[in-house]
Amino acid sequence: DGGITQSPKYLFRKEGQNVTLSCEQNLNHDAMYWYRQDPGQGLRLIYYSQIVNDFQKGDIAEGYSVSREKKESFPLTVTSAQKNPTAFYLCASKRANRDRDLNGYTFGSGTRLTVV
Amino acid sequence: GENVEQHPSTLSVQEGDSAVIKCTYSDSASNYFPWYKQELGKRPQLIIDIRSNVGEKKDQRIAVTLNKTAKHFSLHITETQPEDSAVYFCAASIKTSYDKVIFGPGTSLSVIP
Repeated sequence: DGGITQSPKYLFRKEGQNVTLSCEQNLNHDAMYWYRQDPGQGLRLIYYSQIVNDFQKGDIAEGYSVSREKKESFPLTVTSAQKNPTAFYLCASKRANRDRDLNGYTFGSGTRLTVV
Repeated sequence: GENVEQHPSTLSVQEGDSAVIKCTYSDSASNYFPWYKQELGKRPQLIIDIRSNVGEKKDQRIAVTLNKTAKHFSLHITETQPEDSAVYFCAASIKTSYDKVIFGPGTSLSVIP
């Protein structure tokens, strides 16, 4: 399934509840990313990680948290502090650019999160 | 800040006609421009990309052109088919401490049989 797996496909969150979205890749990619997709707004970067045990905030990190304990895994937690979490969440990975040559992402199939 | 604009937001063409999607970017340091296709309910997939040292690249029915002076790049799809119907995203990448990628808002392309 493309080497990068997201689960679950659909997730429902109650008000005030934390939920965690899973992202696993077997592509041996160093870098992993979380994006949020809203209609008409393209993809916005939440968090990214270039190497294990290191991650950085993206453009809309408030209300989210991540961890990178393993190269293969980059879970995203949507906390109760995120006031408008209903969206489609996409995880992506890519090779490290040791030769300064940029390349494209491989995306997961996404998780649709809905607040109920 | 960095920004990528994309036009049109929606595009309908007759099967067999050509489709053109245009993007502009704000950061002149951008040097890699990928295009992604996202079919309904599926993940975005890289369909073509172009680097800043190239003006045009073609892959079968799709082509991308880049004008670095004007900070414009465009996707051209010829002989469109119904399976080309999808949302297309352009992006501009800058090599900084990480690969900063700015996406356009997307174009919803409908190919009418």
